[in-house]
Amino acid sequence: EVQLVESGGGLVQPGGSLRLSCAASGFTFSSYWMSWVRQAPGKGLEWVANIKQDGSEKYYVDSVKGRFTISRDNAKNSLYLQMNSLRAEDTAVYYCARGSYRWEYWGQGTLVTVSS
Amino acid sequence: DIQMTQSPSSLSASVGDRVTITCQASQDISNYLNWYQQKPGKAPKLLIYDASNLETGVPSRFSGSGSGTDFTFTISSLQPEDIATYYCQQYDNLPRTFGQGTKVEIK
Repeated sequence: EVQLVESGGGLVQPGGSLRLSCAASGFTFSSYWMSWVRQAPGKGLEWVANIKQDGSEKYYVDSVKGRFTISRDNAKNSLYLQMNSLRAEDTAVYYCARGSYRWEYWGQGTLVTVSS
Repeated sequence: DIQMTQSPSSLSASVGDRVTITCQASQDISNYLNWYQQKPGKAPKLLIYDASNLETGVPSRFSGSGSGTDFTFTISSLQPEDIATYYCQQYDNLPRTFGQGTKVEIK
């Protein structure tokens, strides 16, 4: 059974940093692109970033470029999102999802709240 | 960026009704479109991929059609468990973008 479990969310002040993790199981993690998708409270879905199987290609939505870094550790079957210089508008539930363009499997999400 | 415009933003229908949601892309995206269902507090669920292909395990009352810039998502006979918000999503280009969502309620 495919499972994706996010962790690392919480309350952080504007300008602060947070690192999200996603633990994957039930499939060959190193064979798949992985993505982060977020959803602000009461709002729609927004793709944030994705990363190729070997980490050699990474892509970001413009609003997080230069502040967020997606990475992965295939030996640990884990996906990460390092978030720096956080802003109030980054407040959202962050989901990890398997794939680059079609997401059949999603985690349960982890809430990031940016507030003073 | 490719803008995805869904309509309506919300709808109310009776059990058994046929429900149709449209999604328009700001440029030609061929059939590079997916549809998701999201229930409150839950992660989205993929229903339709490549505009018209039903994801494994998804009931056949759900269907999708279209290509180019205009797409349609249909629930042939609305059921109480279909109460959710539905999103279209394009993958012709980066960034991947979603429609704003259509909230479906029971009348």
